[in-house]
Amino acid sequence: GAVVSQHPSRVICKSGTSVKIECRSLDFQATTMFWYRQFPKKSLMLMATSNEGSKATYEQGVEKDKFLINHASLTLSTLTVTSAHPEDSSFYICSAPTSGGGNEQFFGPGTRLTVL
Amino acid sequence: QKEVEQNSGPLSVPEGAIASLNCTYSDRGSQSFFWYRQYSGKSPELIMFIYSNGDKEDGRFTAQLNKASQYVSLLIRDSQPSDSATYLCAVRTYNFNKFYFGSGTKLNVKP
Repeated sequence: GAVVSQHPSRVICKSGTSVKIECRSLDFQATTMFWYRQFPKKSLMLMATSNEGSKATYEQGVEKDKFLINHASLTLSTLTVTSAHPEDSSFYICSAPTSGGGNEQFFGPGTRLTVL
Repeated sequence: QKEVEQNSGPLSVPEGAIASLNCTYSDRGSQSFFWYRQYSGKSPELIMFIYSNGDKEDGRFTAQLNKASQYVSLLIRDSQPSDSATYLCAVRTYNFNKFYFGSGTKLNVKP
C-alpha cells in the first residue's frame, strides 16, 4: 500500500511555543490530506482537510488561527499548532486518500505532542 | 461531525470464537464504510472496506452493510489473541470525501 510519513513522531514543548508537524506522501501524490486529533482512549476527530493549492477547510469547532495548515506541494502538508497549551497535548495523525478519490486512505504513523 | 456510533466495549471473546463488532451511522449520504484496527499508540490500519449492501469476506474477516438500517458490522472468525485491539468504524461522505470515525470498540481475545 501507499506510504505516508509524519515528522516528528514525538515532540515535547513548553506552553506558548509553536510546533510544526509534517505529513508526506512518499510514493504517491495527494491533492487532499486530512488531519486528525486523538485523545487517550478516544476516537480520531477530523480537524481539517488540507487542499493542495488552496485553503484548508476546518471542521466545526476547530480554530483556524490555532491550527495552521499549509499544503505546499502534492506530497507535503504541514500542521502548525500555534501558541500550544497543555490542552493541545494529543496524538495528531494525518492521512491521504488514494488519488482520484479512491476508497482507501493511508495514515501516517502519528505525532505525539506533549505541551508542558 | 457526522455521527458514527460504536459500543466502546471491551468485548471479550475466547480464542477461536467469532467476534462481532457493530457500528451505526447517521448520515444517509455516506458512501463507503471502513473498518480499521488500532493498537495502542499506533495509527489505524485498514482491515477492509465495503460500499454495497450485503456481505464482503476477506480471509477471517467479513464486513456486513445494511444501508436501509444504516448499520455496518465486522465479524472476525477464529479470533486470535493478536486480534486484540481497538476496532474503528469509519464512513466516507459522498459530497466532501471526508472520513468520520466512531469511538472504537476494544476487543480482547483471551487465550
